[in-house]
Amino acid sequence: GAVVSQHPSRVICKSGTSVKIECRSLDFQATTMFWYRQFPKQSLMLMATSNEGSKATYEQGVEKDKFLINHASLTLSTLTVTSAHPEDSSFYICSAVGTSGGVFTDTQYFGPGTRLTVL
Amino acid sequence: LAKTTQPISMDSYEGQEVNITCSHNNIATNDYITWYQQFPSQGPRFIIQGYKTKVTNEVASLFIPADRKSSTLSLPRVSLSDTAVYYCLVGDSTSGTYKYIFGTGTRLKVLA
Repeated sequence: GAVVSQHPSRVICKSGTSVKIECRSLDFQATTMFWYRQFPKQSLMLMATSNEGSKATYEQGVEKDKFLINHASLTLSTLTVTSAHPEDSSFYICSAVGTSGGVFTDTQYFGPGTRLTVL
Repeated sequence: LAKTTQPISMDSYEGQEVNITCSHNNIATNDYITWYQQFPSQGPRFIIQGYKTKVTNEVASLFIPADRKSSTLSLPRVSLSDTAVYYCLVGDSTSGTYKYIFGTGTRLKVLA
């Protein structure tokens, strides 16, 4: 399957600072990327969907000014958590769908996740 | 908004076959059903995907009845390393915009 990477894998920051998480598709062109948040022992919750070159579409209840998403290329999307607070501490996971070798697949392939801890 | 439901947890012994069901009553006509495996602090890993009837790969089988309102992931001869949370994923367009809804997840524990 396709390979998706995330960086960093773990980050600890102070309250009020901003944190950027990168999501890269390594072997395919990610036309659409998804960002999820997962709290302990819960399912993944979709935060937003972004298409390459377009503004992200946020799920209800997700603050777009707090969670800035950029999808400027077919291999990279970033999620910036602005003015992070302890309640933003969570496991953030990206996924991507796209084209490999000219063949489109809508199967989502997930990154390894980023553990954010806000002190 | 369509919901998917799965059993919260299951226990099994090594070498047994495990079947995990997912209910998705409002699946859209063109949606595929995808199952993922997730270990703690890792992203979900693709297991299998299907549209209808039966799909089989090297690790699992997926059974989908004609009405597609449910699906069953079948893991043959599980081992301890199969202890994980299993999610089914279907697309949902009932609200007018396409989005993916993860199931509640089934926590499988394989015992020696």
